[in-house]
Amino acid sequence: QSTLSQPASVSGSPGQSINISCTGTSRDVGTYKQVSWYQQYPGNAPKLILYEVSLRPSGVSNRLDGSKSGNTASLTISGLQAEDEAEYYCCSYAGSATWVFGGGTRLTVL
Amino acid sequence: QVLLVQSGAEVKAPGASVKVSCQASGYTFTAYYMHWVRQAPGQGLEWMGIINPSGGSTNYGQKFKGRVSMVRDTSTRTYYMELSSLRSDDTAVYYCARRDSGSSSFDYWGQGTLVTVSS
Repeated sequence: QSTLSQPASVSGSPGQSINISCTGTSRDVGTYKQVSWYQQYPGNAPKLILYEVSLRPSGVSNRLDGSKSGNTASLTISGLQAEDEAEYYCCSYAGSATWVFGGGTRLTVL
Repeated sequence: QVLLVQSGAEVKAPGASVKVSCQASGYTFTAYYMHWVRQAPGQGLEWMGIINPSGGSTNYGQKFKGRVSMVRDTSTRTYYMELSSLRSDDTAVYYCARRDSGSSSFDYWGQGTLVTVSS
């Protein structure tokens, strides 16, 4: 399976909103609602921040929102804070008990 | 609380095999599948495969078929991932990550195990 396509980097100033796209195909993102997002700080394991496109696990900030249209899912972070600076990965179920990740997006808070 | 504790770092020669363990606690062991995911230095996450703790059935990513084996020991609540015929590009941090039953997301992660392949 190939990798979902994410921008290599995005940036924004504190208080602004940013969007990270995650483009797959009709064999993964376009077909399944099991799209999730992960936040990873350097040297740490990833952390689940959104599941089933737009649902937040307990304890995750409501500044994070997800959506999906066609073969593209998106993560929006509003009211950017310094602590949001991290790497973000999308992931989609791809059928037949397989999963595929995006290449990752580095978020810089200016 | 849910904890996934992985074994320590390994250094292996090219062509060798490595076996990484992941001990689970804090939940019903047989109720949740377990994924293995790896991350090469400075690179993204790569899904390797998944194992069903009830019965031990597995499904591996196409890239790893024939070279990876995932098993579990229910008596010790431990998962094992063995990768053989190691190459330099297998150098990576290897993670176990629990599959959430409802959403198919990866809800809890181990701390990661660095495997370095070097002569």
